[in-house]
Amino acid sequence: GAGVSQSPRYKVAKRGQDVALRCDPISGHVSLFWYQQALGQGPEFLTYFQNEAQLDKSGLPSDRFFAERPEGSVSTLKIQRTQQEDSAVYLCASSLERGDYEQYFGPGTRLTVT
Amino acid sequence: AQSVTQLDSHVSVSEGTPVLLRCNYSSSYSPSLFWYVQHPNKGLQLLLKYTSAATLVKGINGFEAEFKKSETSFHLTKPSAHMSDAAEYFCVVSDGSSGTYKYIFGTGTRLKVLA
Repeated sequence: GAGVSQSPRYKVAKRGQDVALRCDPISGHVSLFWYQQALGQGPEFLTYFQNEAQLDKSGLPSDRFFAERPEGSVSTLKIQRTQQEDSAVYLCASSLERGDYEQYFGPGTRLTVT
Repeated sequence: AQSVTQLDSHVSVSEGTPVLLRCNYSSSYSPSLFWYVQHPNKGLQLLLKYTSAATLVKGINGFEAEFKKSETSFHLTKPSAHMSDAAEYFCVVSDGSSGTYKYIFGTGTRLKVLA
């Protein structure tokens, strides 16, 4: 079956531009996570949704980062006024339920801010 | 707070020799631990998962890991390396204390397999 998909796969933005990154989770998955992976590092948690409710946004690095999942399926991560330090791979993951379930990861969006 | 430490950032082995990737964890209660593999330009793939059912966990592609509470370790092993095993490996703990079960990743171990 279809896995987690993300688009675009690559995004180049000039410093100061706004970007929107899309995640399509596995159909029926309740939980959705966003992670940020800087070059040479392990992924770091950004935010968590249970259906349409954003229950944890403790990992968002600044108020320039905003995420939504309005209908409990597709999610968008938006970064306003991008900075060079935002350059990273942004990973989306979904899991079946809230709780200790395996997370399935998408291929990621590589964001480069010039 | 929960955390994982991967003790080696790079490991090189010859094809056909054993693989050992080391991971130590810190947790205030019985953790759920995972190993994921990341091939270049591909998504993270689950190798195996420990959730307290059995201390020796078998995963895909011949990998296994042993949970040792006394040593707070969860090392990943494989008896015989293949060229296709070359990738980045992440040890992960699931943070249930927050209620979200978000993943906390180690910094990764890059495995190189020499012909």
